[in-house]
Amino acid sequence: AQTVTQSQPEMSVQEAETVTLSCTYDTSESNYYLFWYKQPPSRQMILVIRQEAYKQQNATENRFSVNFQKAAKSFSLKISDSQLGDTAMYFCADTRSGNTPLVFGKGTRLSVIA
Amino acid sequence: GAVVSQHPSRVICKSGTSVKIECRSLDFQATTMFWYRQFPKQSLMLMATSNEGSKATYEQGVEKDKFLINHASLTLSTLTVTSAHPEDSSFYICSAPGQGNEQYFGPGTRLTVT
Repeated sequence: AQTVTQSQPEMSVQEAETVTLSCTYDTSESNYYLFWYKQPPSRQMILVIRQEAYKQQNATENRFSVNFQKAAKSFSLKISDSQLGDTAMYFCADTRSGNTPLVFGKGTRLSVIA
Repeated sequence: GAVVSQHPSRVICKSGTSVKIECRSLDFQATTMFWYRQFPKQSLMLMATSNEGSKATYEQGVEKDKFLINHASLTLSTLTVTSAHPEDSSFYICSAPGQGNEQYFGPGTRLTVT
């Protein structure tokens, strides 16, 4: 069974600083997809960044980047130049394909402090 | 981008009654939709996979007679909570697969059973 582990229940960061959220996963699939989702107080799930496991290059989306270590089954999220609007729950998730459900980690509550 | 809507956004019902939650893909067709449940300060847990034209697939521990899922068309899946009890109070979120192995999430429905 797929499992996703986020070991940091809560984190805080000063505005404009950089923070890294950790995620490890366990899957027996040869190909899979990894995601970071943001859930602000509105509770709408927002895709932050995605990574295809067959791609070696780490995904980047503006201030958000990942460190994908396939052998270690690690998928951390780095947020640069943190902004107050980044305050939210962040969930790491994986799936075998687009037509299979996501398996989520327990989440990390990130607070950006002015 | 693709949009998934849910209705209602909030519902309060009395114990013993039934409540229906709708999930619609507004600008794309979805032969599969997923239903998740999220308790306060917890992660999203998959309840069931809704399949257009066939029976839903339920996760272990989810009562299929209590949580009725009907995928009536390529754009609509409904979740009916039958004989609701206070412990069914939760946040229910649906998602539908889209392009690039991404899933599009509805805004969620907050169910409160009194």
